[in-house]
Amino acid sequence: GENVEQHPSTLSVQEGDSAVIKCTYSDSASNYFPWYKQELGKRPQLIIDIRSNVGEKKDQRIAVTLNKTAKHFSLHITETQPEDSAVYFCAPTGGFKTIFGAGTRLFVKA
Amino acid sequence: EAGVAQSPRYKIIEKRQSVAFWCNPISGHATLYWYQQILGQGPKLLIQFQNNGVVDDSQLPKDRFSAERLKGVDSTLKIQPAKLEDSAVYLCASSLGDSYNEQFFGPGTRLTVL
Repeated sequence: GENVEQHPSTLSVQEGDSAVIKCTYSDSASNYFPWYKQELGKRPQLIIDIRSNVGEKKDQRIAVTLNKTAKHFSLHITETQPEDSAVYFCAPTGGFKTIFGAGTRLFVKA
Repeated sequence: EAGVAQSPRYKIIEKRQSVAFWCNPISGHATLYWYQQILGQGPKLLIQFQNNGVVDDSQLPKDRFSAERLKGVDSTLKIQPAKLEDSAVYLCASSLGDSYNEQFFGPGTRLTVL
């Protein structure tokens, strides 16, 4: 079956530092690459997404980069803040099929 | 705009009992998803509807789980009989309908099977 892997599974950074989470997928039909943030006890919410015809997208402190050839995309968070502490999921999608990664737990220490 | 509604929010049952969850998606959203999220894991797709037709139910344990989406709007997910390993949060999500669309999640139903 199709496979999605996220690394690292846990990431701890100091407030103000940058954080990078990588998502590797196997389905070559994937053409939509979103990242969701899930705070403790809450529902997942989209924070940024990218389509396959774009290599990078930025929205204030967050950015997503895509390497379709290598089948991976990454979430970049700069100037991290304590409120960025959450679990982040990648969810590569292709042909109406979405597979969520296992998640990366980000801790931002004040 | 109203979000995705789910009920109940919490449910505690004993193993071998049955349970049903309800979801009302965002108005106009053609695609509806049911996910199972076990503590510490990512959401796992159980079933995906496009309008009132099933697009993907490959990971739905069909011997005990069933789902329907009447008239292409509301949906119910049923478990009968429940097992201990069904303890999880059941998330309903909806999207506009094509593969580039954001999924909007409901608050989830936390199921505990004793």
